[in-house]
Amino acid sequence: QVVLTQSPSASASLGASVKLTCTLSSGHSSYDIAWHQQQPEKGPRFLMKVNSAGSHNKGDGIPDRFSGSSSGAERYLTISSLESEDEADYYCQTWGTAYVVFGGGTKLTVL
Amino acid sequence: EVQLVESGGGLVQPGGSLRLSCAASGLTFSSYWMSWVRQAPGKGLEWVAKIKQDGSDKYYVGSVEGRFTISRDNAKNSLYLQMNSLRAEDTAVYYCARGGCSTTSCLDSWGQGTLVTVSS
Repeated sequence: QVVLTQSPSASASLGASVKLTCTLSSGHSSYDIAWHQQQPEKGPRFLMKVNSAGSHNKGDGIPDRFSGSSSGAERYLTISSLESEDEADYYCQTWGTAYVVFGGGTKLTVL
Repeated sequence: EVQLVESGGGLVQPGGSLRLSCAASGLTFSSYWMSWVRQAPGKGLEWVAKIKQDGSDKYYVGSVEGRFTISRDNAKNSLYLQMNSLRAEDTAVYYCARGGCSTTSCLDSWGQGTLVTVSS
């Protein structure tokens, strides 16, 4: 079964950009993934699906500041022009026929 | 606008049972796989179970296999999670989510969650 690996934490300054990484386990580099944002004390919110070719499909109302890309087994979420409301936990997620898997999440701090 | 509203959470003793519900609106419910996902206090997201559009296929995470049952009533636009033999480690906020993005399990809509606390 696939495993998704995320760094536990990241930080960047207000107005800057940040790139979060989700790494698929060996043998699973072709998998699509989804990115979700969870702001403090709120439920998760779908951001986008990213495929192995690097194209992404965003959810309704997701700002242009959020984009996705890929390289090999890595899937990226880039947030530009950081705002204070972007401070949140970010989870990647993938799936197979009989399972759904989440990464451990990255806590993003906006300085 | 898609809305998923969970209910049925609460405090239950170890070994007890609870049934969660998720009321769906703003979507053709019968067209989507649906999932339950949970989040223990201070922890990350953990997928619990998913069910096919017509209820014919169901899958579970190993830790709940044999104790939890996912089901749906498409006529009522509702998803359910029957939880039996509850343990302290089942304590979590439980979310229902839609399998979208033209896939079975790209979870593209989420409810607000319902808290389940298993404690004596």
